[in-house]
Amino acid sequence: EDKVVQSPLSLVVHEGDTVTLNCSYEVTNFRSLLWYKQEKKAPTFLFMLTSSGIEKKSGRLSSILDKKELFSILNITATQTGDSAIYLCAVDHAPSAGGTSYGKLTFGQGTILTVHP
Amino acid sequence: NAGVTQTPKFQVLKTGQSMTLQCAQDMNHNSMYWYRQDPGMGLRLIYYSASEGTTDKGEVPNGYNVSRLNKREFSLRLESAAPSQTSVYFCASSDRDRVFLVNQPQHFGDGTRLSIL
Repeated sequence: EDKVVQSPLSLVVHEGDTVTLNCSYEVTNFRSLLWYKQEKKAPTFLFMLTSSGIEKKSGRLSSILDKKELFSILNITATQTGDSAIYLCAVDHAPSAGGTSYGKLTFGQGTILTVHP
Repeated sequence: NAGVTQTPKFQVLKTGQSMTLQCAQDMNHNSMYWYRQDPGMGLRLIYYSASEGTTDKGEVPNGYNVSRLNKREFSLRLESAAPSQTSVYFCASSDRDRVFLVNQPQHFGDGTRLSIL
C-alpha cells in the first residue's frame, strides 16, 4: 500500500526559531515529491523535488530529497508568525512503471506549525 | 486570474439528500482531481480525470460519482449523502510535462465545506 508519513504532526515554536519538517514515503513508481503550505483555504505550492541531493530554496524555506532513504525535509529558518500553517507533503507516483501512465498524488497527514511572537 | 473555482463554499445537507459540487478551471489544464480533507488525515483522492472524457477512481471513491463535462469543468456528485461524508472538499487541476512525463504541481480551489446531519 502506498504510504506518505509526516512528522511531527504538530509543532509550536517562537519567532526566529528554525524548524525541520519530515516526510517519508513508500510508493510504487515514484515520480516526484511536492510540498504545499495550507493556511485557511487552498493548499499553495512550495516545492517539487525529483532528484536526490539537490536543494531547492525560496527565501527562508528550503527542501531536499533523498531517494535512497525515501524521505524529504522542509526547513524554515528565522520563522515568522506568517509561517503558521499546515505543511503538506505529497508524492506523485504511477500505477505502473510505463512512462505513459498518469500519476496521482498521495498526501501525508500534514504538520501543523504554530509560530508564536 | 480565477484559477480553480469551486461552488458552493458551504453547504449543509440532511442524510439521504443529493448534491453536486462544481469545479471549473481556466488554466487549460488537462487533469482535474477531487479530494476530501478530514482532520489528521491530509488530503485523500476521491476521483480524478487525466484528460477530457476519462475518469478514474482514487483512494476513497465509494458514495461519489464524477462527470468531466468538458476540459474546464469537473463535478462531484453525492447521490445519497451520509454523515461520514462531512468534510472539506477540494478540487485541483494540473498539466503534464510532455518531455519528462511528470505531472506539474496541482493548483487547488478554496474548498467546499460540507456538513451532513
